[in-house]
Amino acid sequence: SQQGEEDPQALSIQEGENATMNCSYKTSINNLQWYRQNSGRGLVHLILIRSNEREKHSGRLRVTLDTSKKSSSLLITASRAADTASYFCAFFTYTGGFKTIFGAGTRLFVKA
Amino acid sequence: DAGITQSPRHKVTETGTPVTLRCHQTENHRYMYWYRQDPGHGLRLIHYSYGVKDTDKGEVSDGYSVSRSKTEDFLLTLESATSSQTSVYFCAISEGRDRGPYEQYFGPGTRLTVT
Repeated sequence: SQQGEEDPQALSIQEGENATMNCSYKTSINNLQWYRQNSGRGLVHLILIRSNEREKHSGRLRVTLDTSKKSSSLLITASRAADTASYFCAFFTYTGGFKTIFGAGTRLFVKA
Repeated sequence: DAGITQSPRHKVTETGTPVTLRCHQTENHRYMYWYRQDPGHGLRLIHYSYGVKDTDKGEVSDGYSVSRSKTEDFLLTLESATSSQTSVYFCAISEGRDRGPYEQYFGPGTRLTVT
């Protein structure tokens, strides 16, 4: 399968702590994206990092990309209860025709 | 939220019946996608469209067909529903840029149960 793999599958932290989620993939990519999904809702795009970038920031989000290790991480700093959601990485590849492939997701629970 | 609606939002159907799900967008985006989401699998691409009447298969296309006769509508049809097609179905859209689509915007989902 070309699916990305994410770890941990679930993460529970206290409000104010940082949350780190990791994603690995197997193919060459054009870019990697992170999405958030609140329970029962559609996914919301958070951030995109291109294959020639190593780090990107957006507010409390920091994404890194290591193409040599085929891995990415999402860091949420100073987490809030409202950050409770599932987070998915998705990588865009031209291998075998263009496609965006999603990981299985990390469930984050932030305790107030 | 991007202007994407899905209908119906919930459906229960019997094995062997045909089912059509509709995705409607008001953003005039070029690309449209159908995904299914199942526990432990994340989202898996069923079919996508890169223009009116232009569609292609995704990772899990068996048992599904699609049609796009207008920019704003993308239909997903389960030709003969099976219990393995019980899932939550998401439509997504994205703009076409110089080298293909990037970030996607998702609809609210359709929960389909096949009994």
